Amino acid sequence: NAGVTQTPKFQVLKTGQSMTLQCAQDMNHNSMYWYRQDPGMGLRLIYYSASEGTTDKGEVPNGYNVSRLNKREFSLRLESAAPSQTSVYFCASRPEIWGTEAFFGQGTRLTVV
Amino acid sequence: SQKIEQNSEALNIQEGKTATLTCNYTNYSPAYLQWYRQDPGRGPVFLLLIRENEKEKRKERLKVTFDTTLKQSLFHITASQPADSATYLCALEHTNAGKSTFGDGTTLTVKP
Repeated sequence: NAGVTQTPKFQVLKTGQSMTLQCAQDMNHNSMYWYRQDPGMGLRLIYYSASEGTTDKGEVPNGYNVSRLNKREFSLRLESAAPSQTSVYFCASRPEIWGTEAFFGQGTRLTVV
Repeated sequence: SQKIEQNSEALNIQEGKTATLTCNYTNYSPAYLQWYRQDPGRGPVFLLLIRENEKEKRKERLKVTFDTTLKQSLFHITASQPADSATYLCALEHTNAGKSTFGDGTTLTVKP
């Protein structure tokens, strides 16, 4: 099992460019999450999807959009990248919406210049 | 406002000693609390989950306590090894919230 797979692993964008971060899980989990992690800080929730067909905002949703394409895939889109979005992005999934452990991907290191 | 504090950004201990990491919270009534390990350049990895009605949980050399009166969780690694060196994150979640809030982490270094 691959677990949670994120692509790409690294990306450099120019200010104003758009891109989509991809995430797929092969564990048949219901819930999926997107976090960002800035240096020396914990994870901050951007968006999450409790189940296929639903999405909700987290702590820091501004500047992002998400799509829960199907049960396996949850993508994060930056419509117009800004330097403040330079960060490491982690996708996670878990079997149920609460009370269970989360499984994380390897992360996408994004730099916006 | 809600706040999670993992005191000591960095903790250095000698191999074989017990490492104790702290997670304090304010303005939360968490249903449960989790601890994760994160190595440089990697995603967090789940270690332990403890529920509000549990005082203590153990897994091999790991022990977690949860005191809802003090609003504090302690994470212990006994007989620590250099391989335990990593950043440890605590995460809290309300009942039915569907999302966890993470602390900033404590970086543990175990010296041989």
